[in-house]
Amino acid sequence: QVQLQESGPGLVKPSETLSLTCTVAGGPINSAAYYWAWIRQPPGKGLECIGIIDHSGNTFYKPSLRSRVTIFVDMSKRQISAKLSSVTAADTAVYYCTRGWSGVGALESWGPGSLVTVSS
Amino acid sequence: QSVLTQPPSASGTPGQRVTISCSGSSSNIGTNTVNWYQQFPGTAPKFLIYSNNQRPSGVPGRFSGSRSGTSASLAISGLQSEDEADYYCASWDDSLNGPVFGTGTKVTVL
Repeated sequence: QVQLQESGPGLVKPSETLSLTCTVAGGPINSAAYYWAWIRQPPGKGLECIGIIDHSGNTFYKPSLRSRVTIFVDMSKRQISAKLSSVTAADTAVYYCTRGWSGVGALESWGPGSLVTVSS
Repeated sequence: QSVLTQPPSASGTPGQRVTISCSGSSSNIGTNTVNWYQQFPGTAPKFLIYSNNQRPSGVPGRFSGSRSGTSASLAISGLQSEDEADYYCASWDDSLNGPVFGTGTKVTVL
């Protein structure tokens, strides 16, 4: 059973860059059977995918965030990372690291989430 | 900003059947399979249904899913108090090249 654990700064100032990491344990990090996605949920609101990365390193980002987000994999550390630049209060959310099934798209594993608040 | 539309709430008494709808378009539900997630307050979503109507191991049989055209639905038969949660549908969107979610439905057990 794969385990995902996010880590983040907790508090970020407006206009700064938000950096998140997800450590993967108990499962492959580079398998064609899976892809990795960062999902966020603003307080009291629904779920939103900010971007994904597949086993080949191909990335797809939410169009409205494309200019600000980067997702990458560090194989040696077994980590999936996300960076979101020029943050505003609208980026305040719980950020989830997830693993999805290639082809089916289902997000079958979720980390517990990391709350990030953007405030001065 | 969600791509898929769900009713904001649904409710029922213990033992009743509750159905949640999910409406999408040809670029998502009309082309790709639908998945459902259950979320309790303060916790991460849980994988509930995949490929329209398949249950992962450990999910009770009272949860079932279906898809028709550009819509899908989740049914909870024999509603129990522990089913009180938020439910989200999701599907892959070919236009966005990523998963899209529904607006979420809060299920209340009366």
